[in-house]
Amino acid sequence: DVKVTQSSRYLVKRTGEKVFLECVQDMDHENMFWYRQDPGLGLRLIYFSYDVKMKEKGDIPEGYSVSREKKERFSLILESASTNQTSMYLCASSNGLGGETQYFGPGTRLLVL
Amino acid sequence: KNEVEQSPQNLTAQEGEFITINCSYSVGISALHWLQQHPGGGIVSLFMLSSGKKKHGRLIATINIQEKHSSLHITASHPRDSAVYICAVRSGGGADGLTFGKGTHLIIQP
Repeated sequence: DVKVTQSSRYLVKRTGEKVFLECVQDMDHENMFWYRQDPGLGLRLIYFSYDVKMKEKGDIPEGYSVSREKKERFSLILESASTNQTSMYLCASSNGLGGETQYFGPGTRLLVL
Repeated sequence: KNEVEQSPQNLTAQEGEFITINCSYSVGISALHWLQQHPGGGIVSLFMLSSGKKKHGRLIATINIQEKHSSLHITASHPRDSAVYICAVRSGGGADGLTFGKGTHLIIQP
């Protein structure tokens, strides 16, 4: 079974803090994604990566950066957390280039005070 | 950018009923996904479609490419089917992410 794990299920941070969200997948997938999910807005793509050290902006990249130094790990970084970044963050991975199934992690619920 | 609309937003039904959830999108796609999210957040991929119909147990997904429309059906619904069902599309052929509908919150009452 594909397993996608995220470093924390719940996280509370203060405005202005630097926040790291880690995602690890164990199936040697090429593609990894970070989404946020908000009530009434659904899931929205923040960043994705299709190879080590490669990254592409999604629909809402502002206020975020990412790092992919190893194939299995994709990190989402909030350089200076703000209250409007309070959300559920979901990581996913997939293989190939043609619409393949994405496998999701359990999510990290982040609260920024 | 593709716009993905799901209907209904909320659906409450009795156990055993036949359930239909609809999804429409605005731009041609390379694939459409149906996902299930249970309380607590975990998302599971149910189907990936690019044409026709797929069936898995009591779940059936269909897609009409010309009409830019897909349906997810649940036969003999059960309380354990209660979840949020999400439609998502991929517009391009590369490794870019999905565009999601806002989800349909389904409750099956015993």
